[in-house]
Amino acid sequence: GAGVSQSPRYKVAKRGQDVALRCDPISGHVSLFWYQQALGQGPEFLTYFQNEAQLDKSGLPSDRFFAERPEGSVSTLKIQRTQQEDSAVYLCASSSETGFGNEQFFGPGTRLTVL
Amino acid sequence: AQSVTQLDSQVPVFEEAPVELRCNYSSSVSVYLFWYVQYPNQGLQLLLKYLSGSTLVKGINGFEAEFNKSQTSFHLRKPSVHISDTAEYFCAVSESAGKSTFGDGTTLTVKP
Repeated sequence: GAGVSQSPRYKVAKRGQDVALRCDPISGHVSLFWYQQALGQGPEFLTYFQNEAQLDKSGLPSDRFFAERPEGSVSTLKIQRTQQEDSAVYLCASSSETGFGNEQFFGPGTRLTVL
Repeated sequence: AQSVTQLDSQVPVFEEAPVELRCNYSSSVSVYLFWYVQYPNQGLQLLLKYLSGSTLVKGINGFEAEFNKSQTSFHLRKPSVHISDTAEYFCAVSESAGKSTFGDGTTLTVKP
């Protein structure tokens, strides 16, 4: 595809439900990032993959959050037992390189609303 | 730990006027600095970045930014804005491979 795609674009969940958010990075991109963007704030780092390896998960807010990228391409962010404070836009980004200062290409995001 | 402060949450300007969006950062090590733009219902798009070298960086759409190490600033400027520049602008800093820290954004509104 031409860019990073995310699905679904919108997700409404009842408190306590599990959700799975998908990210399709640009083909061939080695690095993949997940961010959480609350209303009126900038994106906050959640986790980072280099190929299939999760190198940094320091931003995951609790053990209810889990991300995987088993084949080094598509990634899924899973949130178990969703809470109202999980409501946010979840952004995925990919990069062709692994070093410093490389441009991250962002998807449009998934807007999660927990009722 | 790194952090980013965007000093203005909203900046209204008239078309063809100059604009400056301010960004200050804090970090204990050398950093890389970025400005991203987010148009409504779209993903973030890179405007420009500073890695090293000349402190004046030119980006897309006529934007430029100047890195000032002593003031730990990376302000974004454009000499003449257009209606189409109306968007949310985010400053970001990265001090390690992968992780970037973003500011809370500045909403630029260009009025006719």
